[in-house]
Amino acid sequence: DVKVTQSSRYLVKRTGEKVFLECVQDMDHENMFWYRQDPGLGLRLIYFSYDVKMKEKGDIPEGYSVSREKKERFSLILESASTNQTSMYLCASSLLTEKLFFGSGTQLSVL
Amino acid sequence: DAKTTQPPSMDCAEGRAANLPCNHSTISGNEYVYWYRQIHSQGPQYIIHGLKNNETNEMASLIITEDRKSSTLILPHATLRDTAVYYCIVRPWNSGNTPLVFGKGTRLSVIA
Repeated sequence: DVKVTQSSRYLVKRTGEKVFLECVQDMDHENMFWYRQDPGLGLRLIYFSYDVKMKEKGDIPEGYSVSREKKERFSLILESASTNQTSMYLCASSLLTEKLFFGSGTQLSVL
Repeated sequence: DAKTTQPPSMDCAEGRAANLPCNHSTISGNEYVYWYRQIHSQGPQYIIHGLKNNETNEMASLIITEDRKSSTLILPHATLRDTAVYYCIVRPWNSGNTPLVFGKGTRLSVIA
């Protein structure tokens, strides 16, 4: 089975801190994605990547950046965390863009 | 991608079949219907997909109407663990570099 591992299940950070969310997949998938999920708003795509060192903006990239130095790892970076970035962050990977495998999510609280 | 419409919520008695509808009246000929579900505090999980024929796997069955304007996901014997939000998504297979877009889905509550 595909395994997508997110480094932390729960994270608490202070406003202004630089935050790294890590995601690792073990199936040699080309595609990786970062979504955030908020009550009433559903899943929204932040960034995605179709290859190493390649990235594309999703629907809500503002305040975020990403890094994909190796195929198996896709990092989401909050350069200066703000309270409106408190959310559930979900990483996914796929071989084909329709069949995604998601991690368990990181619940980030920014105080 | 074609737009989908799902009821916001549904209830189902444990052990009974759960039938989750999805309308996709603007679906085009090369678009598939995909279903995902998201159990509370977990990431979404792929369930099944189909083009025009009915499909079945170990998790569920997918029934697509002949005109392809609507479909139904069937969980034949719902259990409490099937309580989740179910997402219906319509798009062409392997649509290049176009990520999946998740709507609001249907919140299914399985009741003991």
